[in-house]
Amino acid sequence: EAAVTQSPRNKVAVTGGKVTLSCNQTNNHNNMYWYRQDTGHGLRLIHYSYGAGSTEKGDIPDGYKASRPSQENFSLILELATPSQTSVYFCASGETGDSDYTFGSGTRLLVI
Amino acid sequence: SQLAEENPWALSVHEGESVTVNCSYKTSITALQWYRQKSGEGPAQLILIRSNEREKRNGRLRATLDTSSQSSSLSITATRCEDTAVYFCATDADQGGRALIFGTGTTVSVSP
Repeated sequence: EAAVTQSPRNKVAVTGGKVTLSCNQTNNHNNMYWYRQDTGHGLRLIHYSYGAGSTEKGDIPDGYKASRPSQENFSLILELATPSQTSVYFCASGETGDSDYTFGSGTRLLVI
Repeated sequence: SQLAEENPWALSVHEGESVTVNCSYKTSITALQWYRQKSGEGPAQLILIRSNEREKRNGRLRATLDTSSQSSSLSITATRCEDTAVYFCATDADQGGRALIFGTGTTVSVSP
């Protein structure tokens, strides 16, 4: 069954440390996305990708980098984590025009 | 700025009753989607309705779209306790139509 898998499910990081969130999809979708979800803000787009090797900035990219080494994998990187990046992060895959998105189960990140 | 917004903020109904969530959006779209998110899970797509469609059904769910007033609604009939969730509308109005923008959601609680 096609799916989007995120790892880890939970992460505690130290302020100033590096954090990498991973996402793998088996949908063979070209597009992949990273969102964060905070109370009162819904889901906000951080970075996205059209395919292997491409990354694009979303609405709130500051403090985040992204990497798409293959069709299946899309990572979100926090080089210097801050407490304001404490949130739940969701990865999704989809196709332009079809817009049939599949979301992962989320990564809960706590930066202390 | 919020490109899509659901209302009301929260709803409570008893099993068997119907419930309607409304959505207003601010830009032209090619499609609008409704998602459901249960506690601890990622969003799951319920209905995708394209700009040339006025109504779409999926089992107990019915979505409408009025592009002239830039509004949509999602109705659930014969509600069940398992319909308890946050419901989001999302439009493809961002990043050249390549990413979804979500509202902040409506919390629907269904009690026995």
